[in-house]
Amino acid sequence: AQTVTQSQPEMSVQEAETVTLSCTYDTSESNYYLFWYKQPPSRQMILVIRQEAYKQQNATENRFSVNFQKAAKSFSLKISDSQLGDTAMYFCAFMKPLNFGNEKLTFGTGTRLTIIP
Amino acid sequence: DGGITQSPKYLFRKEGQNVTLSCEQNLNHDAMYWYRQDPGQGLRLIYYSQIVNDFQKGDIAEGYSVSREKKESFPLTVTSAQKNPTAFYLCASSIRAGTAYEQYFGPGTRLTVT
Repeated sequence: AQTVTQSQPEMSVQEAETVTLSCTYDTSESNYYLFWYKQPPSRQMILVIRQEAYKQQNATENRFSVNFQKAAKSFSLKISDSQLGDTAMYFCAFMKPLNFGNEKLTFGTGTRLTIIP
Repeated sequence: DGGITQSPKYLFRKEGQNVTLSCEQNLNHDAMYWYRQDPGQGLRLIYYSQIVNDFQKGDIAEGYSVSREKKESFPLTVTSAQKNPTAFYLCASSIRAGTAYEQYFGPGTRLTVT
């Protein structure tokens, strides 16, 4: 079974600074997907970014980027120019597409990020 | 607007009663999922459904039941057999087209059983 580990339960950073959230995972698979989800105080889960394991290029979405190290099974999220609206719980998630329709997400325990004004 | 709706936002029940949580989506997604979230833990999969009239158990299905009679709807029943039902419940859906495996989530229902 796949496991996802987020070793930083809480982090805080000053507004406009850059912060990196860590995520490691354990799998014997070669084809899989990785995601970062954000859960603000409203508790709505919002997809931040995704990465396909077969792609060497790191995914980027505006101020959000990842550092995907497949051999090390590491998938960190970097938030640049952090904003107050980035305050949220961040979850790393793993998906192995087993066959058509059997995609299941395995989540880490989350990192609570606070942006300080 | 397309999206996923869950109702109600807060739900209170007495112990021993069954309760059904609603999940509706108008995204035309094929797959739907139910997750449970407890403090200090990530989301755990309860049930999922790939197509109408078909569903599969997730990692923590005991004490729960679902139905998928319509593509748009995937209600979850928390039965009296669920030993610790108080939690935050999230519904999600995905299109599964090509390599698009992202799951999109509803706003959640907070269930409190006393």
